[in-house]
Amino acid sequence: NAGVTQTPKFRVLKTGQSMTLLCAQDMNHEYMYWYRQDPGMGLRLIHYSVGEGTTAKGEVPDGYNVSRLKKQNFLLGLESAAPSQTSVYFCAARGIAATGELFFGEGSRLTVL
Amino acid sequence: GQNIDQPTEMTATEGAIVQINCTYQTSGFNGLFWYQQHAGEAPTFLSYNVLDGLEEKGRFSSFLSRSKGYSYLLLKELQMKDSASYLCAALDSNYQLIWGAGTKLIIKP
Repeated sequence: NAGVTQTPKFRVLKTGQSMTLLCAQDMNHEYMYWYRQDPGMGLRLIHYSVGEGTTAKGEVPDGYNVSRLKKQNFLLGLESAAPSQTSVYFCAARGIAATGELFFGEGSRLTVL
Repeated sequence: GQNIDQPTEMTATEGAIVQINCTYQTSGFNGLFWYQQHAGEAPTFLSYNVLDGLEEKGRFSSFLSRSKGYSYLLLKELQMKDSASYLCAALDSNYQLIWGAGTKLIIKP
């Protein structure tokens, strides 16, 4: 079982470039999340989705956009990358139960020069 | 504001016991999670507590006191593979997770 898969795993961008991170899950979970993780800080929620066709802003949404056109996929886009967006990005999914565990992807390490 | 506090780093000896504390302040409370994260890997679920008391799962136990806004993760019979970061996260009234910065646990032989 693949669970949650993120692509790409690593990427180096120049300031101003754009890119999209793809998250795919095969667990048929309703909820999907994009987090960023920086040294010395907790996971910070960027955007999330409670179902196909829906998205919502999290704690740190500026500079990012998302789309959930299909239930199994959640895309995170950076339109104009900035060095402050250098981070490790994690996608996660969970079922309907709000107290259910999150299943994380392996992470995508993004460096913006 | 909402806040989760846990120690930045702890060191323990192989075979020993270690307790990692977590205090939380959230707008409402719907439970507390512990996740384990090995360096360079994704977090994985360890435990969820919503009622006061201790829950045991093999070598790992998790405790919650709602009145004190306090939880701890207890790891027994430490093994080298337990070297990892341990993340505490509280579920607030909107069922959003508030994450602590994590405790890096170093196990020495």
